[in-house]
Amino acid sequence: SAVISQKPSRDICQRGTSLTIQCQVDSQVTMMFWYRQQPGQSLTLIATANQGSEATYESGFVIDKFPISRPNLTFSTLTVSNMSPEDSSIYLCSVATGTTEAFFGQGTRLTVV
Amino acid sequence: QQQVKQSPQSLIVQKGGISIINCAYENTAFDYFPWYQQFPGKGPALLIAIRPDVSEKKEGRFTISFNKSAKQFSLHIMDSQPGDSATYFCAASSKGTYKYIFGTGTRLKVLA
Repeated sequence: SAVISQKPSRDICQRGTSLTIQCQVDSQVTMMFWYRQQPGQSLTLIATANQGSEATYESGFVIDKFPISRPNLTFSTLTVSNMSPEDSSIYLCSVATGTTEAFFGQGTRLTVV
Repeated sequence: QQQVKQSPQSLIVQKGGISIINCAYENTAFDYFPWYQQFPGKGPALLIAIRPDVSEKKEGRFTISFNKSAKQFSLHIMDSQPGDSATYFCAASSKGTYKYIFGTGTRLKVLA
């Protein structure tokens, strides 16, 4: 398994601002993903963070709202831009280590006021 | 077709009892079915997973039963303990994608 660290663990932000979430893995991983978990809900895949190229977004998610970077095989960032209260969620980083198994970070609990 | 339907939404079981959570899928391209356990304030943790070439997989008190023809799979927790109280998610992915479609989750409460 991989040890995944996410920062910040939680934040309260003003509407209209942006927040960048960091995901650091203790080893090189093949794939990195970002998920959103709305309060009391399931997990929804936002995008695949591709190393050295633009992220691949799922239906309903766009780069302007959720820009993603992945400069190397152990690090990625997700920015939630121009936030509104509807963006209040837990944002989770996930990695795949070369098998089908995926592991999750602790998540970033975001509240937009 | 991309959905994974999970039931029940919530479940209360007595200590020592069997907890059963069910999931169903439509997409026949799915070939990997994990179960995740999530405690409040934590990220989901992989519990157990199965591929369609076997009908059952057991790890300790946790068993996945898989019915390929019915496109259904279930998690059985034997001898349920209060420490098992958590939210459980089933998921599915297609070969080589590593991208999961999650079920809606089951909140399990095991009474002491």
